[in-house]
Amino acid sequence: QQQVKQSPQSLIVQKGGIPIINCAYENTAFDYFPWYQQFPGKGPALLIAIRPDVSEKKEGRFTISFNKSAKQFSLHIMDSQPGDSATYFCAASRDDYKLSFGAGTTVTVRA
Amino acid sequence: GAVVSQHPSRVICKSGTSVKIECRSLDFQATTMFWYRQFPKQSLMLMATSNEGSKATYEQGVEKDKFLINHASLTLSTLTVTSAHPEDSSFYICSASGGRGLAGYNEQFFGPGTRLTVL
Repeated sequence: QQQVKQSPQSLIVQKGGIPIINCAYENTAFDYFPWYQQFPGKGPALLIAIRPDVSEKKEGRFTISFNKSAKQFSLHIMDSQPGDSATYFCAASRDDYKLSFGAGTTVTVRA
Repeated sequence: GAVVSQHPSRVICKSGTSVKIECRSLDFQATTMFWYRQFPKQSLMLMATSNEGSKATYEQGVEKDKFLINHASLTLSTLTVTSAHPEDSSFYICSASGGRGLAGYNEQFFGPGTRLTVL
């Protein structure tokens, strides 16, 4: 069973828009929440990661918001560009070990 | 960031043959390597975890005799798909972890993937 639920499955935004991807988890033992970006035919690349002791983290145009009580976290892509068009995966792990991935969200940024 | 390579990037083989995929950490020592399988438009599914010098730990439902994993050194792990069948056709991705980095995370660095097609 999927331990991390991700939504939406896909979304389309205009250039400059802010795609938001949401993930939810059940296992309260998870303590590491990374986001990955994957282009077609390539392996995933780490974008940004967060621990549950902080509620928000920014790296460049990417922001993670984390709500520990709701067991939810989300990725915001600020000022999105066509080059951001990719599939994004959230993940979670315990003790930084095996990752449980969400189903993925395909983001399309239109020029 | 750390670099992980995979070879080959694409392979086509006949049904019944065996295929070996290599995963190398190029600029760090990988104490743990992971092998994933990804079907089109789907998420990554962990197949197995291997630690250098130890037997791999397979996820439930993954046939260890079919997917042979060897992690003989701190920079190389191999996945051998034995007696391949068309249903084994997939995108295989490895990742490597070398321990906690400066950020305090035990980050996994992913390879570029290998597309296997079994005819």
